[in-house]
Amino acid sequence: DTAVSQTPKYLVTQMGNDKSIKCEQNLGHDTMYWYKQDSKKFLKIMFSYNNKELIINETVPNRFSPKSPDKAHLNLHINSLELGDSAVYFCASSFARSTDTQYFGPGTRLTVL
Amino acid sequence: KQEVTQIPAALSVPEGENLVLNCSFTDSAIYNLQWFRQDPGKGLTSLLLIQSSQREQTSGRLNASLDKSSGRSTLYIAASQPGDSATYLCAVPGSQGNLIFGKGTKLSVKP
Repeated sequence: DTAVSQTPKYLVTQMGNDKSIKCEQNLGHDTMYWYKQDSKKFLKIMFSYNNKELIINETVPNRFSPKSPDKAHLNLHINSLELGDSAVYFCASSFARSTDTQYFGPGTRLTVL
Repeated sequence: KQEVTQIPAALSVPEGENLVLNCSFTDSAIYNLQWFRQDPGKGLTSLLLIQSSQREQTSGRLNASLDKSSGRSTLYIAASQPGDSATYLCAVPGSQGNLIFGKGTKLSVKP
């Protein structure tokens, strides 16, 4: 009965590889988000989707590509991984933009060697 | 551009103390403010959400207040316990619904 789930929980990979992180929510929310938490623990928005449409795309390298096959899923694909991509990536969801509580997944800790 | 600041960055208190965590934001035109808790290596747990029309919200030993005009919120924790040890984050919605976070206050409650 997990509300927002992410897979994998841990991801260790070599520089230059391509990897994906998956996110699913079973709350019936129409908006989903990807946040990045860096080594200093600062959380920052990367992308936001509303009803499968991209509504936020912050200054993120185009090696990062979000994909939303349906309202309940928002996946993050990363090409040509770099050392600086090492971070914890959190998926979140909410019913409506701005006014509603956001629910967060457990995070995916990505380590690039 | 909205900025969120949390003070102090870290706080260590003995068990049983009442404590206050502070959060300030630069743009007072917010819909709400949300307080989260993050345990080491874990995700974020929503503690309280205060709508812009509200002055405070309470949940158990937690009480959050909001003063929009001054751009401030406080999280009051009564009778702190070692299990309260965590990082506490406050966040406000940006113009497109994403949350803008402060850098957090790391709380340590000593038995």
